[in-house]
Amino acid sequence: ETGVTQTPRHLVMGMTNKKSLKCEQHLGHNAMYWYKQSAKKPLELMFVYNFKEQTENNSVPSRFSPECPNSSHLFLHLHTLQPEDSALYLCASSPARDGAGIQYFGAGTRLSVL
Amino acid sequence: GESVGLHLPTLSVQEGDNSIINCAYSNSASDYFIWYKQESGKGPQFIIDIRSNMDKRQGQRVTVLLNKTVKHLSLQIAATQPGDSAVYFCAENMSSGNTGKLIFGQGTTLQVKP
Repeated sequence: ETGVTQTPRHLVMGMTNKKSLKCEQHLGHNAMYWYKQSAKKPLELMFVYNFKEQTENNSVPSRFSPECPNSSHLFLHLHTLQPEDSALYLCASSPARDGAGIQYFGAGTRLSVL
Repeated sequence: GESVGLHLPTLSVQEGDNSIINCAYSNSASDYFIWYKQESGKGPQFIIDIRSNMDKRQGQRVTVLLNKTVKHLSLQIAATQPGDSAVYFCAENMSSGNTGKLIFGQGTTLQVKP
């Protein structure tokens, strides 16, 4: 148990659905991240939040919409996704504001887009 | 551009042997490095880190070596056990940057044969 909890663990959705991924961290950290992990590719950073403010959007398509209501919770809202968006979506948190240092990961949400 | 790479996608070792997983990085300004372990169905877990002012750091059964001259990082696992079977990622960070972030390599799969 890393202190970062992601729900749901698995999600299957159609291309016209709207769904949300949730991440909660119990570590008292100030920074939270969304990553996409596809087979045979390095982890891709999607979004970074520091003290609830978005500080990085790594050219992510608008069909992915993050939300960070407080330093402990992070959401990723999904709508009109494509099959190539199927992947493992990982949430992480870290104590450091600027992203330096150890990031602690959740177990991820395995997303399948049909 | 920035890239972090691992030399071999798969490494197979006999239980009880030592394992060496290699990583090459390209950003000479990176000053902090982390190794992560990802088991099937889980998120990446922190193993060990090292700062650029060191060339070696030891943990429990693991040692990280950093050679800044050739921009090479390695993870040594002593007396490899079946529980060490996982994907191992190196990550680099340039903490002096504005938005320091971790850049991950593609990963090496370690298979431990009984």
